[in-house]
Amino acid sequence: DVKVTQSSRYLVKRTGEKVFLECVQDMDHENMFWYRQDPGLGLRLIYFSYDVKMKEKGDIPEGYSVSREKKERFSLILESASTNQTSMYLCASSSPGGDNIQYFGAGTRLSVL
Amino acid sequence: AQSVTQPDIHITVSEGASLELRCNYSYGATPYLFWYVQSPGQGLQLLLKYFSGDTLVQGIKGFEAEFKRSQSSFNLRKPSVHWSDAAEYFCAVVPFSGGYNKLIFGAGTRLAVHP
Repeated sequence: DVKVTQSSRYLVKRTGEKVFLECVQDMDHENMFWYRQDPGLGLRLIYFSYDVKMKEKGDIPEGYSVSREKKERFSLILESASTNQTSMYLCASSSPGGDNIQYFGAGTRLSVL
Repeated sequence: AQSVTQPDIHITVSEGASLELRCNYSYGATPYLFWYVQSPGQGLQLLLKYFSGDTLVQGIKGFEAEFKRSQSSFNLRKPSVHWSDAAEYFCAVVPFSGGYNKLIFGAGTRLAVHP
């Protein structure tokens, strides 16, 4: 079975802290994605990666960075967390080409106080 | 502007009733189309997808969706809703084929099911 694992289900951080959200997939997928989900806004793409050490900005990259040192792992970094980054964060992966199906992790609910 | 619209934010149906969730997109060419479901506290699960061919597609959990090019719509249907269908439903499109298959999501429709 396809599996995308996000390391934390819930996180509580303080304003100004550096925050790491980790995502691991076991499907040997080239593409990985980070979204944030907010009520009434659906999912918005923060960053994606199509290969190791490659990354592309999504629609809302401000305040975030990413790291992909290994194919199976894609990390989202909040350099200095702010209260407006309180949200649900979802990681997904897919293989390139005709399939176009993204497989999602269970999400990390981050609260920044 | 290119977008995916789910006009209904909340829908409430009785158990056993039929269901239709609406989705419209505004892209020039026919995109790849998806419906995902998110149960409370969970990630997203793919219900069904449309790439080409037969415009009525069957998915998991008894769901189906019909692609109508003339209306730029991809509505999700189920003939008889179960209490376990209470969840949030997202329509999504890949506005081009191949490439990095970026998904564009609608805002979601939250479904409540009354016993």
